Amino acid sequence: DGGITQSPKYLFRKEGQNVTLSCEQNLNHDAMYWYRQDPGQGLRLIYYSQIVNDFQKGDIAEGYSVSREKKESFPLTVTSAQKNPTAFYLCASSIGSRYGYTFGSGTRLTVV
Amino acid sequence: DQQVKQNSPSLSVQEGRISILNCDYTNSMFDYFLWYKKYPAEGPTFLISISSIKDKNEDGRFTVFLNKSAKHLSLHIVPSQPGDSAVYFCAASANSGAGSYQLTFGKGTKLSVIP
Repeated sequence: DGGITQSPKYLFRKEGQNVTLSCEQNLNHDAMYWYRQDPGQGLRLIYYSQIVNDFQKGDIAEGYSVSREKKESFPLTVTSAQKNPTAFYLCASSIGSRYGYTFGSGTRLTVV
Repeated sequence: DQQVKQNSPSLSVQEGRISILNCDYTNSMFDYFLWYKKYPAEGPTFLISISSIKDKNEDGRFTVFLNKSAKHLSLHIVPSQPGDSAVYFCAASANSGAGSYQLTFGKGTKLSVIP
């Protein structure tokens, strides 16, 4: 079945450490996105990529980095520069906004 | 500046009654609107959408209404069921013509359907 997979589902990070969240899709979608969800904040866009080897900052990109070396993969690195990284992270892909996004099941990151 | 607004953070409805979730937008370039449903610790799933050339779209118990002049859309769920309890996100996109695929999301409304 085609879909979008995020791993791990739960992730714990010590302060000062970088951590990478995985996002893989086999839907042949060109565009991929990373969102962050905090209580009462809705979905806020971190980074997005419309094609391989190209990506753009979203509304809250500070402290995050991404790469898009393959169409299927769009990993997100939460760096030590991100001051409040504890959140629920969602990855999505799309063939075009008219068709909406397909979301992964999310990764809950907790800083300990 | 929030371009998509869901002003009600939460809504409680009795089972069997109608649920009405509201969404307002400010960007007149938006021409396609979607509703997503999200359960805790899961990704959002697509529910229903509407193009700006229409004022109503229906899918089973779910109907979305669009009032372009008021820049307002609403999602009606009839009859409401306990399994409908979730957070509902309104989203909008604009045809920029430049291949932009971004959706702008509201903050969500938590619906609780009481048995």
